[in-house]
Amino acid sequence: ILNVEQSPQSLHVQEGDSTNFTCSFPSSNFYALHWYRWETAKSPEALFVMTLNGDEKKKGRISATLNTKEGYSYLYIKGSQPEDSATYLCALSAGTALIFGKGTTLSVSS
Amino acid sequence: NAGVTQTPKFQVLKTGQSMTLQCAQDMNHEYMSWYRQDPGMGLRLIHYSVGAGITDQGEVPNGYNVSRSTTEDFPLRLLSAAPSQTSVYFCASSRDSSTSYEQYFGPGTRLTVT
Repeated sequence: ILNVEQSPQSLHVQEGDSTNFTCSFPSSNFYALHWYRWETAKSPEALFVMTLNGDEKKKGRISATLNTKEGYSYLYIKGSQPEDSATYLCALSAGTALIFGKGTTLSVSS
Repeated sequence: NAGVTQTPKFQVLKTGQSMTLQCAQDMNHEYMSWYRQDPGMGLRLIHYSVGAGITDQGEVPNGYNVSRSTTEDFPLRLLSAAPSQTSVYFCASSRDSSTSYEQYFGPGTRLTVT
């Protein structure tokens, strides 16, 4: 079973701060790297799916980068808002199975 | 277009009882999967299917059975419920069997086994 590591486990920032999280994964047998946003009492929703080394994706204030050679992806949030409070999950696709990390829980206070 | 639907939303079982968690999608997706979510453990893959008639085991398959007789439906069966199966269960689907496309998640089923 592949191991997907996310850090930090949790963090708390003030409104307006920018922040970033890390997802580390084994670089062999790579197909795709997913990022999901998971709000409390809701279902996970996809943010990005990245497949190529060097991929950069952006959605509003959230962006992500991918380095498949060294096995990591960064998720950035610029100017955090209270509505960004959620757990951010990354998941590694190794073919037909999708393996999730344990997530980074972000809390943004106003 | 309802997306991914799951029933029931909540269920309480006694140890040893069996039940089926239902999952359906109306997006004609090939790939469907079941995850369980436990505190501190993230989402763990139970079983998945890359198309009608094809299923395979994930990380934590013991105690669960699945079948995929149609593209739309992917039920998860608990054969003999145990307290260790108390969890929140999510069904998800994706348009392609390679998991290179985003997963769409259902609302979840919260199961308690006493």
